[in-house]
Amino acid sequence: GAVVSQHPSRVICKSGTSVKIECRSLDFQATTMFWYRQFPKQSLMLMATSNEGSKATYEQGVEKDKFLINHASLTLSTLTVTSAHPEDSSFYICSGDRGTYGYTFGSGTRLTVV
Amino acid sequence: DAKTTQPPSMDCAEGRAANLPCNHSTISGNEYVYWYRQIHSQGPQYIIHGLKNNETNEMASLIITEDRKSSTLILPHATLRDTAVYYCIVRVPTEILTGGGNKLTFGTGTQLKVEL
Repeated sequence: GAVVSQHPSRVICKSGTSVKIECRSLDFQATTMFWYRQFPKQSLMLMATSNEGSKATYEQGVEKDKFLINHASLTLSTLTVTSAHPEDSSFYICSGDRGTYGYTFGSGTRLTVV
Repeated sequence: DAKTTQPPSMDCAEGRAANLPCNHSTISGNEYVYWYRQIHSQGPQYIIHGLKNNETNEMASLIITEDRKSSTLILPHATLRDTAVYYCIVRVPTEILTGGGNKLTFGTGTQLKVEL
């Protein structure tokens, strides 16, 4: 089946630094990728939609200058958390749109900001 | 996306069938029903989807009522590894919807606990 590879799976960073998370679709082309954030015991919250070759669309309340999204190719989308703070600690998940077959999700990245 | 309603939690004995209900009374004609599950600290996993007819695959069966206002996901022989949060979502597939990518919005899902 379709696979989305997400790296790193876990990262710990110091407050004020930036962290990049990569998502690659391994066996399909993802014109559109979605980025979610999930806090403990909560559901997934959509942060932004990234379209290959164009600017990402952010959900209300998500700071585009803090969460930089790049979707430079049909198989790679990246999320950079800039100037991270402890409140950015969360589980970040990407997914690729496979049309009728729905979405294929990455395995997630556990970000801890200390 | 139309809203869905699911019970917050369910228990099931290992080896028995797990029947997870979902209400989607405002579903529109071109919206499909999708089921995903999320095992703790992992990304969601696709299970099954359908439009009108009942569907079955190696993981589960999906029963959609004739009026399409509700559906049931059936795990025929639940195992401990099926313990997860199950999400029922309705959406229009991207290739049908004009204007680009169609975002998937998650509700709170059903926490299924399979026990010995």
